[in-house]
Amino acid sequence: RKEVEQDPGPFNVPEGATVAFNCTYSNSASQSFFWYRQDCRKEPKLLMSVYSSGNEDGRFTAQLNRASQYISLLIRDSKLSDSATYLCVVRVRGSGNTGKLIFGQGTTLQVKP
Amino acid sequence: DTGVSQDPRHKITKRGQNVTFRCDPISEHNRLYWYRQTLGQGPEFLTYFQNEAQLEKSRLLSDRFSAERPKGSFSTLEIQRTEQGDSAMYLCASRFSREKEGYGYTFGSGTRLTVV
Repeated sequence: RKEVEQDPGPFNVPEGATVAFNCTYSNSASQSFFWYRQDCRKEPKLLMSVYSSGNEDGRFTAQLNRASQYISLLIRDSKLSDSATYLCVVRVRGSGNTGKLIFGQGTTLQVKP
Repeated sequence: DTGVSQDPRHKITKRGQNVTFRCDPISEHNRLYWYRQTLGQGPEFLTYFQNEAQLEKSRLLSDRFSAERPKGSFSTLEIQRTEQGDSAMYLCASRFSREKEGYGYTFGSGTRLTVV
């Protein structure tokens, strides 16, 4: 079983739609949680951090449920420019405090006109 | 350019050949990571350096793989006797240790390796 699991999609939605991505993680020692965005053939870039209290950045809302080990990302009013792969990422506490990130498989979003 | 640089951007090699990739991190970043990403998958951790010390290696890093960061600045990743399964994007990331853990990563654009 992968440490971070996502539905790979693809999610095909029309412009203006609301779309939600889910992610589960298996390691209860996971400490920090993120959503990264990766455009085709480009490097991953941090989209936003995820907190138990929930956090919002414009049209994007992220939520963490530590009890269920579940992370979500909600995108409202989808734009064509939102088309990308969204990677669920956790940092696991390690003995050496490596600070390495564990990535999910990624969920592909395609926003259509 | 003050970002993370990787060279080459693309590499096509024949099976059995050796290849070496280079990563130049952001100058003040003392931590450097190598990841590998295959098609349709997220990046997978390979190895980590703090300054010149290699502190962790994934079991994905077989004995054909070696990484160095000799002066705590740039890093190289070498793959010996390449196999078709090594075809992937190799990503380098760096960060400064004083950043809150999990934060402050900057990824390079990657080196795309194709083994034919």
